[in-house]
Amino acid sequence: GQSLEQPSEVTAVEGAIVQINCTYQTSGFYGLSWYQQHDGGAPTFLSYNALDGLEETGRFSSFLSRSDSYGYLLLQELQMKDSASYFCAVRARESNYQLIWGAGTKLIIKP
Amino acid sequence: DADVTQTPRNRITKTGKRIMLECSQTKGHDRMYWYRQDPGLGLQLIYYSFDVKDINKGEISDGYSVSRQAQAKFSLSLESAIPNQTALYFCATRYQGFDRNTIYFGEGSWLTVV
Repeated sequence: GQSLEQPSEVTAVEGAIVQINCTYQTSGFYGLSWYQQHDGGAPTFLSYNALDGLEETGRFSSFLSRSDSYGYLLLQELQMKDSASYFCAVRARESNYQLIWGAGTKLIIKP
Repeated sequence: DADVTQTPRNRITKTGKRIMLECSQTKGHDRMYWYRQDPGLGLQLIYYSFDVKDINKGEISDGYSVSRQAQAKFSLSLESAIPNQTALYFCATRYQGFDRNTIYFGEGSWLTVV
């Protein structure tokens, strides 16, 4: 079966850089997505990686290594508004190409 | 106005009652989804639909049913609600074309079954 692992909580300081890791196990991997969710809010799309390498979008970057079944989300120049939960989600043949979600990483940012 | 609208936003219902959550979208997307989120956990897919005539079960469809009344409307029903269906429910849409890897979520519906 499929599984995704990400840390339950990460703490960082405003202005710093933080990396949130995600390891997955699945068959027929297609792509890895990242979503942000503020408390009480809806998830919003951040990034999608289908190929190995780094994708950069402003302060956020996402990396994928298909051979290691591993990805990460990198947040730079942290701002207080980045305090949220971050979810990785895998699309794979095993789940009929529908997203399977990790349990989320709560990012706590301290001033 | 939100592109993906869910009603009701909050509902408390009793065990055994039938409850329907409605979703409508103005994005013109073909694919619609219903997800469930339990506190501190990720999302689980209940049902998804590629168009009006194509509805598919997700990971946790037992105890739920859906109806795709039109391309823009997708409703979720709990025929006989039970307390462990207490959760936050999200409707979502996706376009199988440009931007096809992005899922757009509604604001969520909090359902409490007592």
